[in-house]
Amino acid sequence: ELKVEQNPLFLSMQEGKNYTIYCNYSTTSDRLYWYRQDPGKSLESLFVLLSNGAVKQEGRLMASLDTKARLSTLHITAAVHDLSATYFCAVDLQKGWSDPDKLIFGTGTRLQVFP
Amino acid sequence: EAGVAQSPRYKIIEKRQSVAFWCNPISGHATLYWYQQILGQGPKLLIQFQNNGVVDDSQLPKDRFSAERLKGVDSTLKIQPAKLEDSAVYLCASSLDLVAEAFFGQGTRLTVV
Repeated sequence: ELKVEQNPLFLSMQEGKNYTIYCNYSTTSDRLYWYRQDPGKSLESLFVLLSNGAVKQEGRLMASLDTKARLSTLHITAAVHDLSATYFCAVDLQKGWSDPDKLIFGTGTRLQVFP
Repeated sequence: EAGVAQSPRYKIIEKRQSVAFWCNPISGHATLYWYQQILGQGPKLLIQFQNNGVVDDSQLPKDRFSAERLKGVDSTLKIQPAKLEDSAVYLCASSLDLVAEAFFGQGTRLTVV
């Protein structure tokens, strides 16, 4: 059975600090997504990682993908309160480029940034 | 560009009742998804459409859940009869095609009492 595990599940961090969220998965995949979800809101796409070694950065967030280790990371640099949200990784089980996407979501990491 | 529209936003029903949710995808998007998100968990795919055809419904509890996308645009998801464990947020998403990035609606929060 495919498992997509995130850790930590909860993260309370002080503004200005750095931290990394980890996403481990148990099957072969070359495509992984990171989403942000604010309370009561929908999912907002942050990053799409399409190959081994892919690294993408947007503002204080940087995501990377190691398909050999089946691991993706979301690194937060100098956290600010506005980053408080729940972050999900989603592994795409798509087998070939012409096959339909099938996303399996992780359990989510609830991030709270305090002053 | 208008996003994925869903209605209603909230619904409270008693167990064994029926309920239906509606989704209008982004214009031009051929692929439509329904996800179930139970509190504290990540979304789980229920069904995926390409135009008006079903691509994947392997995780849809077909004894009580049904979904259709008759004209290849709007979609409805129905639960009949509802159980307490169906309490969740039901998210609709759409994408240009089967391999393009999906965009999510705000969801319908269902509470079964």
